[in-house]
Amino acid sequence: DAKTTQPNSMESNEEEPVHLPCNHSTISGTDYIHWYRQLPSQGPEYVIHGLTSNVNNRMASLAIAEDRKSSTLILHRATLRDAAVYYCILRHSGGYQKVTFGTGTKLQVIP
Amino acid sequence: DGGITQSPKYLFRKEGQNVTLSCEQNLNHDAMYWYRQDPGQGLRLIYYSQIVNDFQKGDIAEGYSVSREKKESFPLTVTSAQKNPTAFYLCASSTYDRGAQETQYFGPGTRLLVL
Repeated sequence: DAKTTQPNSMESNEEEPVHLPCNHSTISGTDYIHWYRQLPSQGPEYVIHGLTSNVNNRMASLAIAEDRKSSTLILHRATLRDAAVYYCILRHSGGYQKVTFGTGTKLQVIP
Repeated sequence: DGGITQSPKYLFRKEGQNVTLSCEQNLNHDAMYWYRQDPGQGLRLIYYSQIVNDFQKGDIAEGYSVSREKKESFPLTVTSAQKNPTAFYLCASSTYDRGAQETQYFGPGTRLLVL
């Protein structure tokens, strides 16, 4: 999988929006951008994924830059339950590709 | 409820002992995976299986073994050859046919400690 770069940690106030950035300058045209999050002492859970267009679901929004070299996961209103490590991952099209989880961004939500 | 179960939640291993971690899924997924996570680190792939009776080594397979005799089950054995087994072990499954849109579903994990 192509490499992604994320800040090690971020802070947010409760009930405010959070923008988690991810850089993927070597992304190829058919790579999908996936986000997972891992709450303390739990397994990761899927959050959202996209290819080119911005995506929304009940958990978050994914904003993808026009050149696709970066993306931003948006939590519209952070809660204490959103405190987790967030992983940004690229997945290739065509054939099986194993998933590589880096160290992600640790989000702290301040009450 | 559909999902992935891992047992036990905590496991203690003595020196020179083999231990087996259980992973069961009722999501009817073809593919299953084992990851290891060390404190403050990301996940590293140990083994994966795309279909029953077949599995491949991941990035850190040495000292581990697996079997896939049933679609629902993918047990991981940590052998005595694994010299530093203390870690958080995560099992996951996915539908194999979605390619780059594949989503992995994770179990709650097993924390292995060496006595």
